[in-house]
Amino acid sequence: DIQMTQSPSSLSASVGDRVTLTCRASQSVSTYVNWYHQKPGKVPKLLIYGASSLQSGVPSRFSGRGSGTDFSLTISSLQPEDFGTFYCQQTYSLPSFGGGTKVEIK
Amino acid sequence: QVQLMQSGAEVKKPGASVNISCKTSGYSFTSYYIHWVRQAPGQGLEWVSMMNPSGGSAKYAPKFQGRASLTRDTSTSTVYLHLSSLQSEDTAMFYCARDSGFAVATFILDDYWGQGTLVTVSP
Repeated sequence: DIQMTQSPSSLSASVGDRVTLTCRASQSVSTYVNWYHQKPGKVPKLLIYGASSLQSGVPSRFSGRGSGTDFSLTISSLQPEDFGTFYCQQTYSLPSFGGGTKVEIK
Repeated sequence: QVQLMQSGAEVKKPGASVNISCKTSGYSFTSYYIHWVRQAPGQGLEWVSMMNPSGGSAKYAPKFQGRASLTRDTSTSTVYLHLSSLQSEDTAMFYCARDSGFAVATFILDDYWGQGTLVTVSP
């Protein structure tokens, strides 16, 4: 199994801040990494697929990068609606998710 | 429009089994893989399994191999998740979700999710 480790597990930031979340795979997954955003009581929403491709309809303040084992999701200017938990997912083999990063707005 | 409608909440005793349904509509049922994702209360996402509704083949996460099984009914465009030997740790919300790929498994879950089925395992 491929393990995905996200850091930090939680963070608190202000509106307008630049925020970077990281995800590390236990072995190389090429660029088979996706990022999701989940708000409490809602289903996850796909933000980024293939490590860096922005899903249609997702604001351009979200960007992803990385390959191999190290990946990141950056929010260029944090907005009030960005609270919730962000998950990375590898799809190089049978999929697995990271433990999530919970984002709180100060 | 595409919809995935799941069956209602279940309460089960330890050792029992549960069947959850995911009825799809608004698209060609056999053209998109269906996935199941589990989320325990306050916890993260966990991929459980996926099915190719065209031929009925399924894959399972190692953790659920032997305990989970997927079936489908093409006449009603419904996929079923059966989970046996339930324990308290199985208390969770189960979601079905449609794969983004047409006739191929990308494992990318984009716009179409069921509303979730809460399974509670309690003596």
